Amino acid sequence: SQTIHQWPATLVQPVGSPLSLECTVEGTSNPNLYWYRQAAGRGLQLLFYSIGIDQISSEVPQNLSASRPQDRQFILSSKKLLLSDSGFYLCAWKGAAGSGELFFGEGSRLTVL
Amino acid sequence: AQSVAQPEDQVNVAEGNPLTVKCTYSVSGNPYLFWYVQYPNRGLQFLLKYITGDNLVKGSYGFEAEFNKSQTSFHLKKPSALVSDSALYFCAVRDGGSYIPTFGRGTSLIVHP
Repeated sequence: SQTIHQWPATLVQPVGSPLSLECTVEGTSNPNLYWYRQAAGRGLQLLFYSIGIDQISSEVPQNLSASRPQDRQFILSSKKLLLSDSGFYLCAWKGAAGSGELFFGEGSRLTVL
Repeated sequence: AQSVAQPEDQVNVAEGNPLTVKCTYSVSGNPYLFWYVQYPNRGLQFLLKYITGDNLVKGSYGFEAEFNKSQTSFHLKKPSALVSDSALYFCAVRDGGSYIPTFGRGTSLIVHP
C-alpha cells in the first residue's frame, strides 16, 4: 500500500534562518506531488506541484522553493524565513494517471519567531 | 477556470440528526469532485469523489454526496451525525484535464451531544 511521510512535524525557527521540509512517498511510482500551506484561517494555498523529477511549477511567488531530487521525494526550502512563512505545511500526492484524489501527509507546523 | 464555494463557515447539528455541508462549483469541462475531512493538526483525509456515473456517491464513515449538474452542487450528507464527525470539511473540484484541484475554504462541522 502507498504511504506518505512528512517531517519534521513541528519546528520553531527564527526569522532569517533556513528551512527544509521533506516529504517522501512509498508504494507508488511517478506520483504527482504537491506542497500546500494552510494559514490560521483554514484555507489551503497551493505552493508548488511536480509531475516528475526536476519538473516543478510554482503557483505563488514567495520566499520558498521546492525540489524533487528523486521520483518520490519532494522538498520545500527557504534560505531566509519571514514571519509570514508561519503556517501548517501539507505535502500530498496523486497517482499520475486517472481521476485520483490527493493523499496528504500529516503536516508540518512551522512557527517563525 | 475552476472554482469552488463552501457558503457556510460553520455548521452546527445535534448528534443523531442528519447533516448537510454545502458545496457549489464551477469548471469549464467535466467536473471531478472530492470531499476531504481534516481533524485538528492533521492532514486532510479523502472521504469520497464523483467522477462519473451515479449522482449519489457513498464514501467513508457513512458519508455520501449528491452530484447535481443543473445546480452545480456537490453537497456532503450523513443521515445521523456523530460527535466524532466534528471536524473541518473541504470540497474540491478539478477539471478533467487539470493536475490541480481547487479547494474550498472549508466548513467547520460541530456536532453537539
